[in-house]
Amino acid sequence: DIQMTQSPSSVSASVGDRVTITCRASQGMSSWLAWYQQKPGKAPKLLIYAASSLQSGVPSRFSGSGSGTDFTLTISSLQPEDFATYYCQQANSFPLTFGGGTKVEIK
Amino acid sequence: EVQLVESGGGLVQPGGSLRLSCAASGFTFSSYAMSWVRQAPGKGLEWVSTITGSGGSIFYADSVRGRFTISRDNSKNTLYLQMNSLRAEDTAVYYCAKDPKPRSAATNWFDPWGQGTLVTVSS
Repeated sequence: DIQMTQSPSSVSASVGDRVTITCRASQGMSSWLAWYQQKPGKAPKLLIYAASSLQSGVPSRFSGSGSGTDFTLTISSLQPEDFATYYCQQANSFPLTFGGGTKVEIK
Repeated sequence: EVQLVESGGGLVQPGGSLRLSCAASGFTFSSYAMSWVRQAPGKGLEWVSTITGSGGSIFYADSVRGRFTISRDNSKNTLYLQMNSLRAEDTAVYYCAKDPKPRSAATNWFDPWGQGTLVTVSS
């Protein structure tokens, strides 16, 4: 099974800050990685797929990078609506697995 | 517009059974793999099961294999999750989710997700 290690588990940031979240896979998986945003009481929303492709309708301040085992989600300029929890997910092989999540909080 | 609406959650005793449904609309249901993902209260996301569009291939997490059964009725545009021998650790919000790509192009990402249905296993 591919284990996904996400860091940090939480980050405090201000509006306008640049935020970077990392996800490390226990084995190489090319670019089979997605990022999701989840707000309290809501279903997750797909932000990035194939490691770096922006899902339709997602603001361009979100970007993803990486391949193999190391991946990054970057929010270039944090907006009030971006305070949420973010998860990475590997889609390389079953069982599909998620990172533990990163909660982006208001500083 | 793609819509996924889960139902069937509720309170069940340990060892009991429950069947979840996910009614789909706005797309050609039979062309897309569908999945169940769960989230225990205050915890992260856990993939549960995936079924291909035809139903010909099915995958389970080890934590539910042998107890849960995923199925679909393409004539009714509905996905199911039969949950037997339920345990306290199965308590979670259960989401159904669609693969964004059809048939052989399936990606195993999830987009969109339903609103979720809460399953509580407790005596």
